[in-house]
Amino acid sequence: GENVEQHPSTLSVQEGDSAVIKCTYSDSASNYFPWYKQELGKGPQLIIDIRSNVGEKKDQRIAVTLNKTAKHFSLHITETQPEDSAVYFCAASIDYGQNFVFGPGTRLSVLP
Amino acid sequence: DAGVIQSPRHEVTEMGQEVTLRCKPISGHNSLFWYRQTMMRGLELLIYFNNNVPIDDSGMPEDRFSAKMPNASFSTLKIQPSEPRDSAVYFCASSTVDEQFFGPGTRLTVL
Repeated sequence: GENVEQHPSTLSVQEGDSAVIKCTYSDSASNYFPWYKQELGKGPQLIIDIRSNVGEKKDQRIAVTLNKTAKHFSLHITETQPEDSAVYFCAASIDYGQNFVFGPGTRLSVLP
Repeated sequence: DAGVIQSPRHEVTEMGQEVTLRCKPISGHNSLFWYRQTMMRGLELLIYFNNNVPIDDSGMPEDRFSAKMPNASFSTLKIQPSEPRDSAVYFCASSTVDEQFFGPGTRLTVL
């Protein structure tokens, strides 16, 4: 079955700097890759997603890149702000919105 | 829309007791998912339903766990009997096509 790895497990950056989180997946049939942000005491919330027919997607300060050949995808956050501090999860799915396999998460701390 | 609703938000029970977690998905969503989150194992998919039918329950840890979806607006996850190792945050999520919308979770503590 699908296996998703995520690095780093923790990341601290200064406010205004960029943050990059990387994930790899094992099943070449995976076709949907969402990123979720989880704040303390809340459920995960989708921040951006990408389908396998797209190499890059951007939404304001957030971007995701996908390399299908290498089976890895990355989250890029620019101009980080303290409110970006949270745990971020990547996920992969072989049938779009079904059967997600989540990575272990990255705890991002943005220092003021 | 109120989003995915879960109840209770917190549950403390003693080992051996039956626990029932409840979920109301977003109206119009045809898929419902139950996840468990722990520090050791992260976010694990337990079971999911499409149009009220269980599709994949391979993540259900053992026979003590059961889930039902009697109609499009309600689902339950039951643990009987509960054990201390079941302590975790349980999330329900619903979706239509891609994005899964998560509820606030139920924090379960089994003493």
